[in-house]
Amino acid sequence: QQQVKQSPQSLIVQKGGISIINCAYENTAFDYFPWYQQFPGKGPALLIAIRPDVSEKKEGRFTISFNKSAKQFSLHIMDSQPGDSATYFCAARGGYSTLTFGKGTMLLVSP
Amino acid sequence: DAGVIQSPRHEVTEMGQEVTLRCKPISGHNSLFWYRQTMMRGLELLIYFNNNVPIDDSGMPEDRFSAKMPNASFSTLKIQPSEPRDSAVYFCASSLQGGNSPLHFGNGTRLTVT
Repeated sequence: QQQVKQSPQSLIVQKGGISIINCAYENTAFDYFPWYQQFPGKGPALLIAIRPDVSEKKEGRFTISFNKSAKQFSLHIMDSQPGDSATYFCAARGGYSTLTFGKGTMLLVSP
Repeated sequence: DAGVIQSPRHEVTEMGQEVTLRCKPISGHNSLFWYRQTMMRGLELLIYFNNNVPIDDSGMPEDRFSAKMPNASFSTLKIQPSEPRDSAVYFCASSLQGGNSPLHFGNGTRLTVT
Protein backbone atom coordinates (compact mmCIF):
# COMPACT_ATOMS: atom_id res chain seq x y z
CA GLN A 1 0.00 0.00 0.00
CA GLN A 2 1.50 3.28 -1.12
CA GLN A 3 1.26 5.74 1.72
CA VAL A 4 2.61 8.76 -0.16
CA LYS A 5 1.31 9.40 -3.66
CA GLN A 6 3.36 11.72 -5.85
CA SER A 7 2.49 13.37 -9.14
CA PRO A 8 3.30 13.95 -11.89
CA GLN A 9 5.69 11.15 -12.75
CA SER A 10 7.58 13.48 -15.10
CA LEU A 11 7.52 17.18 -15.82
CA ILE A 12 9.00 19.44 -18.47
CA VAL A 13 9.24 23.15 -17.69
CA GLN A 14 10.80 25.98 -19.62
CA LYS A 15 13.64 27.93 -18.08
CA GLY A 16 12.23 30.65 -15.87
CA GLY A 17 8.94 28.86 -15.34
CA ILE A 18 7.41 27.43 -12.16
CA SER A 19 7.73 23.70 -11.46
CA ILE A 20 5.05 22.21 -9.23
CA ILE A 21 5.13 18.70 -7.80
CA ASN A 22 2.33 17.37 -5.63
CA CYS A 23 2.10 14.74 -2.93
CA ALA A 24 -0.76 13.30 -0.91
CA TYR A 25 -0.69 11.11 2.16
CA GLU A 26 -3.14 9.03 4.17
CA ASN A 27 -1.48 8.53 7.53
CA THR A 28 -2.51 11.34 9.89
CA ALA A 29 0.35 10.39 12.21
CA PHE A 30 2.86 11.81 9.74
CA ASP A 31 4.42 14.96 11.15
CA TYR A 32 7.51 15.57 9.06
CA PHE A 33 7.52 16.12 5.30
CA PRO A 34 10.87 16.45 3.51
CA TRP A 35 11.69 16.74 -0.16
CA TYR A 36 14.78 15.10 -1.59
CA GLN A 37 16.56 15.96 -4.83
CA GLN A 38 18.47 13.36 -6.83
CA PHE A 39 20.83 13.98 -9.73
CA PRO A 40 21.82 11.16 -12.11
CA GLY A 41 24.42 8.87 -10.61
CA LYS A 42 23.99 10.35 -7.15
CA GLY A 43 22.01 9.52 -4.07
CA PRO A 44 19.04 11.63 -3.00
CA ALA A 45 19.86 14.69 -0.89
CA LEU A 46 17.60 16.65 1.42
CA LEU A 47 16.34 19.80 -0.28
CA ILE A 48 13.77 21.28 2.09
CA ALA A 49 11.41 20.03 4.80
CA ILE A 50 8.28 21.17 6.62
CA ARG A 51 6.32 20.28 9.71
CA PRO A 52 2.50 20.52 9.73
CA ASP A 53 2.37 23.44 12.16
CA VAL A 54 3.12 25.80 9.26
CA SER A 55 1.43 26.07 5.88
CA GLU A 56 4.43 27.21 3.89
CA LYS A 57 8.19 27.15 4.01
CA LYS A 58 10.47 28.94 1.59
CA GLU A 59 14.17 28.51 0.97
CA GLY A 60 15.44 30.52 -1.95
CA ARG A 61 13.56 29.48 -5.08
CA PHE A 62 12.09 26.40 -3.38
CA THR A 63 8.80 26.52 -1.47
CA ILE A 64 6.80 23.81 0.25
CA SER A 65 3.08 24.42 0.58
CA PHE A 66 1.26 22.26 3.10
CA ASN A 67 -2.49 21.65 3.42
CA LYS A 68 -3.12 19.61 6.55
CA SER A 69 -6.89 19.25 6.10
CA ALA A 70 -6.45 17.94 2.57
CA LYS A 71 -3.42 15.85 3.55
CA GLN A 72 -1.48 17.27 0.65
CA PHE A 73 1.80 19.07 0.22
CA SER A 74 3.61 20.39 -2.80
CA LEU A 75 6.99 21.64 -3.95
CA HIS A 76 7.19 24.81 -6.01
CA ILE A 77 10.38 25.73 -7.82
CA MET A 78 10.30 29.34 -8.91
CA ASP A 79 12.36 30.62 -11.85
CA SER A 80 13.28 27.03 -12.75
CA GLN A 81 16.78 26.58 -14.15
CA PRO A 82 18.35 23.80 -16.24
CA GLY A 83 20.46 22.94 -13.18
CA ASP A 84 17.25 22.05 -11.35
CA SER A 85 16.75 19.12 -13.73
CA ALA A 86 16.70 16.12 -11.40
CA THR A 87 14.37 13.62 -9.80
CA TYR A 88 12.44 14.91 -6.81
CA PHE A 89 11.03 12.73 -4.05
CA CYS A 90 8.54 13.74 -1.43
CA ALA A 91 8.55 11.80 1.81
CA ALA A 92 6.75 11.61 5.12
CA ARG A 93 7.43 10.30 8.59
CA GLY A 94 5.60 10.11 11.88
CA GLY A 95 7.21 9.78 15.28
CA TYR A 96 10.07 7.33 15.23
CA SER A 97 8.97 5.61 12.05
CA THR A 98 11.16 5.57 8.98
CA LEU A 99 10.64 7.82 5.97
CA THR A 100 8.06 6.76 3.40
CA PHE A 101 9.00 8.06 -0.04
CA GLY A 102 6.84 8.93 -3.00
CA LYS A 103 7.79 7.35 -6.32
CA GLY A 104 9.55 10.43 -7.61
CA THR A 105 9.13 13.07 -10.31
CA MET A 106 11.65 13.49 -13.11
CA LEU A 107 11.93 17.21 -13.80
CA LEU A 108 13.48 18.52 -17.00
CA VAL A 109 13.99 22.24 -17.33
CA SER A 110 14.52 23.13 -20.96
CA PRO A 111 16.94 25.98 -21.78
CA ASP B 1 33.04 15.04 5.90
CA ALA B 2 33.47 12.20 3.42
CA GLY B 3 29.80 11.36 3.32
CA VAL B 4 28.38 7.86 3.06
CA ILE B 5 30.71 5.67 1.06
CA GLN B 6 29.43 2.71 -0.93
CA SER B 7 31.33 0.12 -2.90
CA PRO B 8 31.43 -1.03 -5.56
CA ARG B 9 29.77 1.67 -7.70
CA HIS B 10 28.86 -0.86 -10.35
CA GLU B 11 28.50 -4.62 -10.14
CA VAL B 12 27.73 -6.95 -13.01
CA THR B 13 27.26 -10.59 -12.13
CA GLU B 14 25.67 -13.72 -13.46
CA MET B 15 22.50 -15.23 -12.09
CA GLY B 16 23.21 -17.52 -9.16
CA GLN B 17 26.33 -15.73 -8.00
CA GLU B 18 26.74 -14.15 -4.58
CA VAL B 19 26.84 -10.36 -4.44
CA THR B 20 28.08 -8.28 -1.52
CA LEU B 21 27.49 -4.56 -1.32
CA ARG B 22 29.38 -2.46 1.19
CA CYS B 23 28.67 0.74 3.07
CA LYS B 24 30.58 3.04 5.38
CA PRO B 25 28.22 5.48 7.14
CA ILE B 26 29.07 9.00 8.23
CA SER B 27 31.09 8.93 11.44
CA GLY B 28 28.87 9.57 14.44
CA HIS B 29 25.65 8.54 12.74
CA ASN B 30 23.94 5.73 14.62
CA SER B 31 21.20 4.80 12.16
CA LEU B 32 21.88 3.06 8.87
CA PHE B 33 19.45 2.24 6.09
CA TRP B 34 19.59 0.12 2.95
CA TYR B 35 17.30 1.15 0.08
CA ARG B 36 16.66 -0.29 -3.37
CA GLN B 37 15.67 1.96 -6.27
CA THR B 38 13.94 0.84 -9.44
CA MET B 39 11.86 2.70 -11.99
CA MET B 40 8.81 0.61 -11.21
CA ARG B 41 8.88 0.68 -7.42
CA GLY B 42 10.87 3.84 -6.62
CA LEU B 43 12.83 3.88 -3.36
CA GLU B 44 12.13 0.87 -1.18
CA LEU B 45 13.47 0.51 2.35
CA LEU B 46 15.01 -2.93 2.75
CA ILE B 47 16.34 -2.81 6.31
CA TYR B 48 17.56 -0.37 8.89
CA PHE B 49 19.84 -0.53 11.90
CA ASN B 50 20.04 1.55 15.06
CA ASN B 51 23.31 1.31 16.97
CA ASN B 52 24.34 -1.66 14.80
CA VAL B 53 21.18 -3.62 15.68
CA PRO B 54 18.69 -4.52 12.92
CA ILE B 55 15.38 -2.89 13.82
CA ASP B 56 13.14 -3.59 10.84
CA ASP B 57 13.94 -5.99 8.02
CA SER B 58 10.39 -6.33 6.75
CA GLY B 59 11.43 -4.77 3.45
CA MET B 60 13.95 -7.49 2.66
CA PRO B 61 12.33 -9.20 -0.31
CA GLU B 62 13.43 -12.77 0.28
CA ASP B 63 15.71 -14.98 2.32
CA ARG B 64 18.25 -14.54 -0.45
CA PHE B 65 18.88 -11.08 0.99
CA SER B 66 20.79 -10.56 4.22
CA ALA B 67 22.40 -7.54 5.88
CA LYS B 68 24.91 -7.15 8.65
CA MET B 69 26.40 -4.31 10.61
CA PRO B 70 29.33 -5.70 12.59
CA ASN B 71 30.38 -2.27 13.86
CA ALA B 72 29.38 1.38 13.69
CA SER B 73 31.47 2.08 10.60
CA PHE B 74 30.59 -0.78 8.27
CA SER B 75 27.59 -2.60 6.86
CA THR B 76 27.05 -5.16 4.13
CA LEU B 77 24.08 -6.23 2.05
CA LYS B 78 24.42 -9.69 0.56
CA ILE B 79 22.35 -11.39 -2.11
CA GLN B 80 22.83 -15.11 -2.49
CA PRO B 81 21.97 -16.41 -5.03
CA SER B 82 21.38 -13.36 -7.19
CA GLU B 83 18.62 -13.22 -9.81
CA PRO B 84 18.01 -10.89 -12.77
CA ARG B 85 15.08 -9.27 -10.96
CA ASP B 86 17.50 -8.07 -8.30
CA SER B 87 18.98 -5.64 -10.84
CA ALA B 88 18.56 -2.16 -9.34
CA VAL B 89 20.47 0.64 -7.67
CA TYR B 90 21.09 -0.06 -4.02
CA PHE B 91 21.59 2.89 -1.69
CA CYS B 92 22.94 3.05 1.81
CA ALA B 93 22.00 6.01 3.97
CA SER B 94 22.86 7.09 7.49
CA SER B 95 21.50 9.57 10.00
CA LEU B 96 21.50 10.52 13.63
CA GLN B 97 18.86 8.57 15.48
CA GLY B 98 15.64 10.28 16.43
CA GLY B 99 14.01 13.58 15.66
CA ASN B 100 13.97 14.70 12.08
CA SER B 101 17.62 14.23 11.29
CA PRO B 102 18.04 14.09 7.53
CA LEU B 103 19.10 10.96 5.72
CA HIS B 104 22.48 11.18 4.04
CA PHE B 105 22.66 8.86 1.06
CA GLY B 106 25.67 7.35 -0.60
CA ASN B 107 25.98 7.40 -4.37
CA GLY B 108 24.67 3.88 -4.67
CA THR B 109 25.72 0.59 -6.22
CA ARG B 110 24.23 -0.20 -9.62
CA LEU B 111 23.72 -3.95 -9.71
CA THR B 112 23.12 -5.80 -12.95
CA VAL B 113 22.40 -9.52 -12.79
CA THR B 114 22.49 -11.26 -16.17
